[in-house]
Amino acid sequence: EVQLVESGGGLVQPGRSLKLSCVASGFTFSNYGMNWIRQAPGKGLEWVAYISSGSSYIYYAETVKGRFTISRDNAKNTLYLQMTSLRSEDTALYYCARQLDRDWGQGTLVTVSS
Amino acid sequence: DVVMTQTPPSLSVAIGQSVSISCKSSQSLVASDKNTYLNWLLQSPGRSPKRLIYQVSKLDSGVPDRFSGSGSEKDFTLKISRVEAEDLGVYYCLQGTHLPYTFGAGTKLELK
Repeated sequence: EVQLVESGGGLVQPGRSLKLSCVASGFTFSNYGMNWIRQAPGKGLEWVAYISSGSSYIYYAETVKGRFTISRDNAKNTLYLQMTSLRSEDTALYYCARQLDRDWGQGTLVTVSS
Repeated sequence: DVVMTQTPPSLSVAIGQSVSISCKSSQSLVASDKNTYLNWLLQSPGRSPKRLIYQVSKLDSGVPDRFSGSGSEKDFTLKISRVEAEDLGVYYCLQGTHLPYTFGAGTKLELK
């Protein structure tokens, strides 16, 4: 059974940093591209970032480019999202997803507020 | 960016009724490999999204055949035949052809 478990969310002040993790199991993590997708409270879905299986290809939404960094450790079956210079508009439930949308985690909530 | 226009924003249905949801893209979703990366997802209340259909019309494993997807280029439709209570929630279309990947705004399916 595929499992994706996100962690690392929490309450953070504007301008500060936070690092999210997503631990994968039930499939060969190193074979798949992975994504971060977020959902602001009561809103729709927004794609945030993609990383290929071997980290050769990385893409970001314009709203986070230059502030967020996606990375992965295939030996640890873990996907990361380093978020810096956080803004109130980054407040959302952050999901990791396999192959864009094939499988999703339960999400981790990031709240940016003073 | 590709804009995904999803209609209607909400639907009120009775169990057993059939419904259709439309998704129109601002650009053709045919990729260079000739595939069309248009997917449909359902987010049930309080749950993570779940993919139902990928590449326009291919059903994910375990998805009932009451669900069907159709369309081409820029115009796509999700049809649900004989709605059941478990089908309620918000449906999203998603294009995975062009970066940045973009979602429709969602269609909320509610019980009448």
